[in-house]
Amino acid sequence: GAGVSQSPRYKVAKRGQDVALRCDPISGHVSLFWYQQALGQGPEFLTYFQNEAQLDKSGLPSDRFFAERPEGSVSTLKIQRTQQEDSAVYLCASSALAGGPADTQYFGPGTRLTVL
Amino acid sequence: GQNIDQPTEMTATEGAIVQINCTYQTSGFNGLFWYQQHAGEAPTFLSYNVLDGLEEKGRFSSFLSRSKGYSYLLLKELQMKDSASYLCAVRNSGNTPLVFGKGTRLSVIA
Repeated sequence: GAGVSQSPRYKVAKRGQDVALRCDPISGHVSLFWYQQALGQGPEFLTYFQNEAQLDKSGLPSDRFFAERPEGSVSTLKIQRTQQEDSAVYLCASSALAGGPADTQYFGPGTRLTVL
Repeated sequence: GQNIDQPTEMTATEGAIVQINCTYQTSGFNGLFWYQQHAGEAPTFLSYNVLDGLEEKGRFSSFLSRSKGYSYLLLKELQMKDSASYLCAVRNSGNTPLVFGKGTRLSVIA
């Protein structure tokens, strides 16, 4: 597993359903980021972990969004009571170092969420 | 506030050179990144600048002027496969999340 993987790749939910999106970072990467990308836009920050600690969740749009990384590896982004405005691609990225000067974020392919 | 501006769309001819500009106003600065994103795929890392000047990597080069809040990505010898969105992103400090522009959609035509 060389890169960041995400599952599922596509998710269709009915409005009001709960969804869980999974991210497997590159092995050994300390930092993990979640971004939301609307069609034709750049990614927007949601939340960020360093190992298992959630250091910043200021980008989460509402309290329906929750993320965890309990063992400092795999992370799950959960959206409760989905709304149509939650439809977007959810990208996960990981980076090797905590604060390194050229610490590059490597992205997964994303989960495309469609809420009907 | 934080603002990163780049053109929405550009078109260039196969074999030519294209320059994609990015201007930024952010609360801090600890590096500027360029990513390439093909439709439906992950953004892939192209380049990183933290000091003023030009970084060259094969057909791709990236330039930074911190005093002007300005960067550009230069693509030479354009190929059809270079048709993609190009994302400019700034990191404010440390290992903080990236702030992205909206991306520039480049179309390479024959």
